Parts: sequence; C-alpha cells; structure tokens
Amino acid sequence: KAGVTQTPRYLIKTRGQQVTLSCSPISGHRSVSWYQQTPGQGLQFLFEYFSETQRNKGNFPGRFSGRQFSNSRSEMNVSTLELGDSALYLCASSLQDSRETQYFGPGTRLLVL
Amino acid sequence: AQKVTQAQTEISVVEKEDVTLDCVYETRDTTYYLFWYKQPPSGELVFLIRRNSFDEQNEISGRYSWNFQKSTSSFNFTITASQVVDSAVYFCALSEAYSNTGKLIFGQGTTLQVKP
Repeated sequence: KAGVTQTPRYLIKTRGQQVTLSCSPISGHRSVSWYQQTPGQGLQFLFEYFSETQRNKGNFPGRFSGRQFSNSRSEMNVSTLELGDSALYLCASSLQDSRETQYFGPGTRLLVL
Repeated sequence: AQKVTQAQTEISVVEKEDVTLDCVYETRDTTYYLFWYKQPPSGELVFLIRRNSFDEQNEISGRYSWNFQKSTSSFNFTITASQVVDSAVYFCALSEAYSNTGKLIFGQGTTLQVKP
C-alpha cells in the first residue's frame, strides 16, 4: 500500500505570495491532519479534515487554510506569506482520528524569502 | 491542558551503548493514547509505537523497548545496543481519547546521535 505523499517537496516563495501544498493520504484513510515544524516551535497542529469537513484547528492565523476533497486528498493554503512561515509542513493520515496511528508523509519544505 | 515533555534535547552515545529517551506527559483524561515517532534527516516522521492508557504492559520490538508508567505519567523509550542508523530525532506524542480529531500533541523531540 502506498504511503502518504506530499507535493511539492521543496518550495521557495517570497513574502506576500501565497502557496498551496498538496497531500494524498494512504488509500482508505479518511482523516488528514497538517502540522508545521519549525526549530523554535517544534511540531504544531494546524488542522484536520475528515469527510471534507474541518474537524479541528490549531492556533494559527486565518492565513492558513485547508480543504479536503471527496477522495480524501487534502490541500493547505497559506496566503500573504511571512518569513516566519518558513517551515517543514507535514501531512498525516489515519483511518478515522488521532486515536489511531497517524502515518506521515515526507513533508514540504517551504522557504519564504 | 495536554502537554508532552521530552527533557533531553540531545543525547550522544557510542555505538552498542544502550540509551533511554524520556517522555513525560500531562492530561486530564483517563483514556488517552501515546505514540513514539522517529524523524531521520530526510524529515519524514516514522511511526514506532502506539499505546493506550489502559495497557501498561511494557513492549519490546527487537532492540526497541518501551516502559509505560501511569503512576509517573511517563512513557520512556530504550534502544538496546544502539547503531549509527538509530541517529535521528525522536518524538513522543499524546492524543486524548475523547478527541475524535487528528490532533497530536508532540514533545520537543530528542536528538540522538550514535557515533561509530
């Protein structure tokens, strides 16, 4: 069974631009979660989607948004990029929710200049 | 509030030494789930173990073992006879059972360096 895939793997943007990251979960997994990883803040939960609905959201500004499609694939968008948005963005999928094991993708490394 | 603390920021050992990574958690819930993940330099988080709060039995998987003690809110991870390939960042994470969402609370991670 294929693992979680994320595209693109690397991205360089400039301040003020917007970016869209994509995540394809493991086949059969309906929950997709997003995390931001930075050296200073560590791994922080962004949001989670299940059946095309956002079930939970972390403490991030409204510039961070996401969506999930009917095939469980998910995208996250960051508008008006700031230097502090430079991070590794990780996507994880599970069958239903965080009580089960979440499997992570390789991440997207975003650099904002 | 939920919290996971990994007090050891970095650990350096010589190959074949045993090493224990500490994890202490805080939660108000009586039912919860604990996880360990490994993050090699490539960046992907690799799942190692999942444990629910009702199962305090220690687990061993090859050179890896986990000691779960509810009385001290700890879920420590031991690598026996460490190898260079064990070098990575290790994360402990917590999920509360009532949370039917995808939220995991992670510790700050412990960087393990195994020298040949």
